[in-house]
Amino acid sequence: DQQVKQNSPSLSVQEGRISILNCDYTNSMFDYFLWYKKYPAEGPTFLISISSIKDKNEDGRFTVFLNKSAKHLSLHIVPSQPGDSAVYFCAAYQAGTYKYIFGTGTRLKVLA
Amino acid sequence: SAVISQKPSRDICQRGTSLTIQCQVDSQVTMMFWYRQQPGQSLTLIATANQGSEATYESGFVIDKFPISRPNLTFSTLTVSNMSPEDSSIYLCSVGDLGQISSGANVLTFGAGSRLTVL
Repeated sequence: DQQVKQNSPSLSVQEGRISILNCDYTNSMFDYFLWYKKYPAEGPTFLISISSIKDKNEDGRFTVFLNKSAKHLSLHIVPSQPGDSAVYFCAAYQAGTYKYIFGTGTRLKVLA
Repeated sequence: SAVISQKPSRDICQRGTSLTIQCQVDSQVTMMFWYRQQPGQSLTLIATANQGSEATYESGFVIDKFPISRPNLTFSTLTVSNMSPEDSSIYLCSVGDLGQISSGANVLTFGAGSRLTVL
């Protein structure tokens, strides 16, 4: 039972354009959603998060949107840069469980 | 945030053998976790390493296969026992702060991972 899904395994975007990474979830009890970025041979690093009581959180070039009715969130990167090329994982967390549920990741390639 | 040193970074192992992965953190942390990422799959939680007591395993993972030690607040080991090719994965140590995790404000910090290939 995959509670967090990233249906696009890969995405290519031109430098300077917008990258949109999508994530769907099934458990309406999740309290927080997070995005992690992973470079080859490195561990995932935290990028941005959003509480389930909000619908948008912005941090510089990165914005996460949450649509609770659709159980869907997305990460927008504007403008995209070649250094953004990495695998992006969506994760969900339910307070009190101390467990993060991760998606399968989307490989983003930003073309110069 | 904490800095995690994980070793080995990669290894090639023979079927039936066991390998121990070490996770060293540069500061004391309350929560330590072990994850597995199989090829093309998501990061899956194996267990929570508890200091001074047995680890708490997730469904599908058992202590005999993945024994875990956590002798103090900065160190943990994960052993992959009696390995088979299906155990070929990246194993990741991660840490978090209990208070922050409870509030949802935290995020997990990950080590670079140990890539195991079982022949």
